[in-house]
Amino acid sequence: DAGITQSPRHKVTETGTPVTLRCHQTENHRYMYWYRQDPGHGLRLIHYSYGVKDTDKGEVSDGYSVSRSKTEDFLLTLESATSSQTSVYFCAISNTGEGTDTQYFGPGTRLTVL
Amino acid sequence: QKEVEQNSGPLSVPEGAIASLNCTYSDRGSQSFFWYRQYSGKSPELIMSIYSNGDKEDGRFTAQLNKASQYVSLLIRDSQPSDSATYLCAVNMWEGGSYIPTFGRGTSLIVHP
Repeated sequence: DAGITQSPRHKVTETGTPVTLRCHQTENHRYMYWYRQDPGHGLRLIHYSYGVKDTDKGEVSDGYSVSRSKTEDFLLTLESATSSQTSVYFCAISNTGEGTDTQYFGPGTRLTVL
Repeated sequence: QKEVEQNSGPLSVPEGAIASLNCTYSDRGSQSFFWYRQYSGKSPELIMSIYSNGDKEDGRFTAQLNKASQYVSLLIRDSQPSDSATYLCAVNMWEGGSYIPTFGRGTSLIVHP
């Protein structure tokens, strides 16, 4: 298994509070991704990173920000959590970002916003 | 908008049968295609990748690609109850200077004894 961990694994928070999710990898892969997964919507890309301090938006980036200060860590922040951000969040990594590159997923974080 | 489409199912097949899962994609320039399996409450795991037209076999799994029809499929032979899961089709699409993986919504497969 690819060395990817996510923390926390479960979190319950209240509307309006800030939340930060962490993804940590030990594979030294260049690319890192944050997805959310909701019933009926599949996996949707929030943000991705193609190197330290290099990030870009995905399909559903509104309300989320990211940071990557080290190759191994990619943080996802919900500045002011809303109930619509209740979801399962997956981090993924890939090595080169080339067309044939495959992704490996972390175990996921289940976030509930009350 | 670039899209990947899958029938959400559930697809129900008896044990020992062939399960056929289908996926279409909108970006004609896409070159790389992937099938992931996701058990309930778990993260997706890669089971097959395919890059060229035709068939690619790996054990009980066969991926089929037809770029002209923008269609990719996954066949599971001798289906087992342990194959019951959601199968996600993914396509690496060129966007903004990077290949961005785009996922379908997944097809739920149920293999009943």
